[in-house]
Amino acid sequence: DTGVSQDPRHKITKRGQNVTFRCDPISEHNRLYWYRQTLGQGPEFLTYFQNEAQLEKSRLLSDRFSAERPKGSFSTLEIQRTEQGDSAMYLCASSGAGVTEAFFGQGTRLTVV
Amino acid sequence: AQSVTQPDIHITVSEGASLELRCNYSYGATPYLFWYVQSPGQGLQLLLKYFSGDTLVQGIKGFEAEFKRSQSSFNLRKPSVHWSDAAEYFCAVGMDTGRRALTFGSGTRLQVQP
Repeated sequence: DTGVSQDPRHKITKRGQNVTFRCDPISEHNRLYWYRQTLGQGPEFLTYFQNEAQLEKSRLLSDRFSAERPKGSFSTLEIQRTEQGDSAMYLCASSGAGVTEAFFGQGTRLTVV
Repeated sequence: AQSVTQPDIHITVSEGASLELRCNYSYGATPYLFWYVQSPGQGLQLLLKYFSGDTLVQGIKGFEAEFKRSQSSFNLRKPSVHWSDAAEYFCAVGMDTGRRALTFGSGTRLQVQP
């Protein structure tokens, strides 16, 4: 078990472009979370999956954001028509059934220029 | 809605000195409480957690935290700080039902002086 894996670690994109991030959770963890962290702040909840079902989305998740978790394994987070305000660290976390502690990946640092 | 306050944005301590990082939470029921540490450009590592039972919990790297319900606090302590402890520390609260996503404080940056 290598922990939660996120790819890429860094992404620089031009404003208006689409980007997609991938998260591979700890195997057999059925809960998967996406968080966003801006400079000097704590992570903020974006969305949550239990298996393949997306059960909750934060108000932070505008209609330009979409997340999927096909087959309840890895997850992708896509941002369409990126804006400079989307620049942040995007963190993925997973947890197992009946366990509340979440294990975080290293994050994807997005810079929109 | 739950919330977490970390009153100290930045703390500097000398190596070998003791450390206490403050955390206050607002939550309607008994919370699940966590402390995470984050090194620059890295993800978050769990230091310790409180679910129930003994209010003094031990974590990794010599850290401990005490849950005080009457003060709605979960302060992190370490008796002797090492230079490698310099990092950002986040307190978080979670629910025991539903999605169990965490609400984080804004963090405390720890600097360690030689």
